[in-house]
Amino acid sequence: DAGVTQSPTHLIKTRGQQVTLRCSPISGHKSVSWYQQVLGQGPQFIFQYYEKEERGRGNFPDRFSARQFPNYSSELNVNALLLGDSALYLCASSLGSSGANVLTFGAGSRLTVL
Amino acid sequence: DAKTTQPPSMDCAEGRAANLPCNHSTISGNEYVYWYRQIHSQGPQYIIHGLKNNETNEMASLIITEDRKSSTLILPHATLRDTAVYYCIVRPYDTSGTYKYIFGTGTRLKVLA
Repeated sequence: DAGVTQSPTHLIKTRGQQVTLRCSPISGHKSVSWYQQVLGQGPQFIFQYYEKEERGRGNFPDRFSARQFPNYSSELNVNALLLGDSALYLCASSLGSSGANVLTFGAGSRLTVL
Repeated sequence: DAKTTQPPSMDCAEGRAANLPCNHSTISGNEYVYWYRQIHSQGPQYIIHGLKNNETNEMASLIITEDRKSSTLILPHATLRDTAVYYCIVRPYDTSGTYKYIFGTGTRLKVLA
């Protein structure tokens, strides 16, 4: 079975540009979450979507936005890129049901902002 | 939000058990404890989770104290491939259905040959 797939795996942008990152969840998973991991730190929660609705938002500026499509895939958009946005962006999917709801992470998209 | 405290680093001899501690003294009664590991900037890999009882799977065992204020992840026979950063996570209980993991800086486990 395919796991969580993310694209692109690596990308380089310059300050002020915009970026779109994509995520396909595990088949049957209805919830997608996005995390940002800066070098040397643990991942930080950005967004969670369940059944195409935003269920949670972390402490990130409005330059960060996301959406979930009817097939449960998701996109994360970051506008007006700053040097500090350089990070590994992780997508995770889960069934979205109640209870333990284990997250399965993808390999990430590594963004470098120059 | 419940926070976790882990030692920044640990070493373990190959073939020996690795015992990774985690303190979560502010955990609430309905909050789960999860353990993940991350190998060299790959995505975090799920290991095990628990609520109140000790748990065991093919990867590891999770021992949760009776007061739930701390837990220990046990890798019974560590191998070089277990070298990674291990994260102990307490997911805040949220009736809205938000599943937000709060990661700390984790424990960097180095398995020595």
